[in-house]
Formats: sequence, C-alpha cells, structure tokens
Amino acid sequence: EVQLVESGGGLVQPGGSLRLSCAASGFTFSSYWMHWVRQAPGKGLVWVSRINSDGSSTSYADSVKGRFTISRDNAKNTLYLQMNSLRAEDTAVYYCASPGDWDYFDYWGQGTLVTVSS
Amino acid sequence: DIVMTQSPDSLAVSLGERATINCKSSQSVLYSSNNKNYLAWYQQKPGQPPKLLIYWASTRESGVPDRFSGSGSGTDFTLTISSLQAEDVAVYYCQQYYSTLVTFGPGTKVDIK
Repeated sequence: EVQLVESGGGLVQPGGSLRLSCAASGFTFSSYWMHWVRQAPGKGLVWVSRINSDGSSTSYADSVKGRFTISRDNAKNTLYLQMNSLRAEDTAVYYCASPGDWDYFDYWGQGTLVTVSS
Repeated sequence: DIVMTQSPDSLAVSLGERATINCKSSQSVLYSSNNKNYLAWYQQKPGQPPKLLIYWASTRESGVPDRFSGSGSGTDFTLTISSLQAEDVAVYYCQQYYSTLVTFGPGTKVDIK
C-alpha cells in the first residue's frame, strides 16, 4: 500500500525557515518524480514544486522560486521542502503527492500545516 | 499560465439526481500528437487530501464508482455524477497538466438539496 507521510509543519515567524519531510513507502520511490502542493485555509489547491526521480531536475511555482528548495533522499525514501524567507501568504497545508504516468496526482499524503505568523 | 475556471461555484442536488460540474481552461489542453486531454478531476472532503477521480479527461481511476464520469476536449470539460450519493458531498477540483506549471480550478462545492 502506498503511503506518504508529511512532517515538519508548525508555527514560524515571518522571515523564518522550516523544512518539511515526506516519508514514502509501498512503492519504488526512487523511480518517481515527486511534487509538493499546498492549500491555504479555506482555499484551493496550488502546485508548489516538483523534482525528478534522481533529484537532478527541479521546478517551482513563481510564488516560491528562490525561497523554497525541493530535494530528496532516495536511500531514505524521503522527499523534502526547505522553506526560507517565509511569508504570511505561505500559510497552508502542504501535501506531498506522487504522479501517475503524467503530472496528475494519484497518491497524496495527509498534509502538514505551516502557519507563518508573528 | 493556463488559468482554470469552474462553474458553478457550488450546487445542491437531491439524492439520486445528476450533478454536473464544468471546467474551462484558458488554452487548449489537448495535445494533438497523442490526442490526449491533459485534464484531471479530484474530490476533496473536509479534513482530507484530494482524491483522484478522473485523468486524461475521461479515464476513471481504479476504485472510483462508475457514477463518476468525465468528458470534454480542448478547453471545455465536464464532471458528471450520475446519481448523487450522500458520500459525494465534497469539493471538486479540475487540474490541467498540459503545462509544466500545473494549475487547478478554484473548486466546486457539491451539497445535498
């Protein structure tokens, strides 16, 4: 059974940093691209970032480019999102998601809440 | 960026009746070389992550009840719930993955009338 379990969320002050993790199991993690998608409270879904299977290629939404860094450790079956220079508008539930044969998402974690507030 | 819009914002349907949700993309998401529409639909219930229902505009995900169907091509798409059940109360999102910048629609809330 595929499982994606996010962790690392919490309350952080504006300008602060946080690192999210997503532990994957039940599939060959090292073979798949992975994504982060976020959802502000009461709002819709917004794609954040993707990384290819070996970590050599990444892309980001304009809203996080230069502040967030996606990475992965295939030996640990874990996906990361390093978030720096956090802003109030980054407040959201962050989901890791694995794609099907293209960039639609067939598996999602339960999400981890990041709150940016003073 | 490809902008996705959905209509209506919300709808209330009687149990057993049909629910229809529309999704429109600001540019075509049909890739002519393979004749595939890069469009997915998700269901999200409160406090839960989204659940994939439909991909390639009309392919039902494994385990999804056949009362859910997707149709459309190019820029106009529809998700139909043929006979609404109580467990279908949720927000439904469309998503395009034609562009490397994937984008979602704003969501349509479905309730029981």
